[in-house]
Amino acid sequence: ETGVTQSPTHLIKTRGQQVTLRCSSQSGHNTVSWYQQALGQGPQFIFQYYREEENGRGNFPPRFSGLQFPNYSSELNVNALELDDSALYLCASSLGQANGYTFGSGTRLTVV
Amino acid sequence: QKEVEQDPGPLSVPEGAIVSLNCTYSNSAFQYFMWYRQYSRKGPELLMYTYSSGNKEDGRFTAQVDKSSKYISLFIRDSQPSDSATYLCAMSVEVYGNKLVFGAGTILRVKS
Repeated sequence: ETGVTQSPTHLIKTRGQQVTLRCSSQSGHNTVSWYQQALGQGPQFIFQYYREEENGRGNFPPRFSGLQFPNYSSELNVNALELDDSALYLCASSLGQANGYTFGSGTRLTVV
Repeated sequence: QKEVEQDPGPLSVPEGAIVSLNCTYSNSAFQYFMWYRQYSRKGPELLMYTYSSGNKEDGRFTAQVDKSSKYISLFIRDSQPSDSATYLCAMSVEVYGNKLVFGAGTILRVKS
């Protein structure tokens, strides 16, 4: 399997709810990063996981959390959703901690 | 002030034109520079990457970095309608860094 796949592609949630987004890394890639891209903006770094450990975090509150599994797939969890959490959530994987990231097509989250 | 500034456009050019896309940045510690292309409803795709100052050419694309001016550019020669997309500059502090800092993206439209 090649490429980074994310699910679901679209999601609508109500303010205050919780959401889990999923990412399957490109084959052989052991590093995964999550980014939030608001409409008309560039992606913002949320955090990165390397070999199942968090390895760097951006300026996002603790209600944004993640996991990486032994097969290097990953989840992004967001609790207590706010309207401003509406965005495209991108997963990117790489081999090691190099900058050659491969991005998935993202999950479009709408909070109403 | 944002760490990375990028003119959002849109930039509209006729087919065959030379396109110049630019970013400025404030963090002098950045040493690894990238350009990504993002089509609508897709994740970013890595086009070019350069380390420190200098030029790099790949087909119709040329990336330039001027660290003394904190200014990077992407030139597209013989632009095609298929080049119509959002172009994002990104940079990081470490060569094997875990956090990419993106510009807001420039929307490019190439008219046939």
